[in-house]
Amino acid sequence: SQQGEEDPQALSIQEGENATMNCSYKTSINNLQWYRQNSGRGLVHLILIRSNEREKHSGRLRVTLDTSKKSSSLLITASRAADTASYFCATDAQRGNNRLAFGKGNQVVVIP
Amino acid sequence: NAGVTQTPKFRVLKTGQSMTLLCAQDMNHEYMYWYRQDPGMGLRLIHYSVGEGTTAKGEVPDGYNVSRLKKQNFLLGLESAAPSQTSVYFCASSYRGRTEAFFGQGTRLTVV
Repeated sequence: SQQGEEDPQALSIQEGENATMNCSYKTSINNLQWYRQNSGRGLVHLILIRSNEREKHSGRLRVTLDTSKKSSSLLITASRAADTASYFCATDAQRGNNRLAFGKGNQVVVIP
Repeated sequence: NAGVTQTPKFRVLKTGQSMTLLCAQDMNHEYMYWYRQDPGMGLRLIHYSVGEGTTAKGEVPDGYNVSRLKKQNFLLGLESAAPSQTSVYFCASSYRGRTEAFFGQGTRLTVV
């Protein structure tokens, strides 16, 4: 069964605004990752947060992890038109044999 | 470096036909994966391999076979294609012990 599950959102925002999306999962994890997929392309790894971390930053990305609630959020600050994409969370479960379980994705549209 | 390369990029099959999708990676990754992506379903793991000569079933293995004869290649076979196998197929690879995955550009398969 899939572990990562995003809130089913299709987010449309203006350039310069912040975009926030959420992900929940069901079992204990080693880490949680976020990926971006541009239309018609493969997924690209954005950021990884380990189970013992609560917050992580990478450029305009901020990820939080709450293991007690089994949830994570991805914040993109000062969005750009180039951020238009689908965003997926993926969990690396303990005993997962290096396998990732992906959520259903969030579609983000940034309007110039 | 090319990263992860999938061939072909597009294919149309008739029900009952067979085909093989090829995935090649030049990053010396031990682990390789095949996913399918369907609208509203996210990515689902079909089969994966933790090393040359080894394969294992993922979440949705029925109707597919795989082989990993060389470390850099991972083949996905459909012996008798069905319309339910119409999907976008992604190959990915990762280092042993690290779950950040690198994805190919995808193969869009239509079975009519």
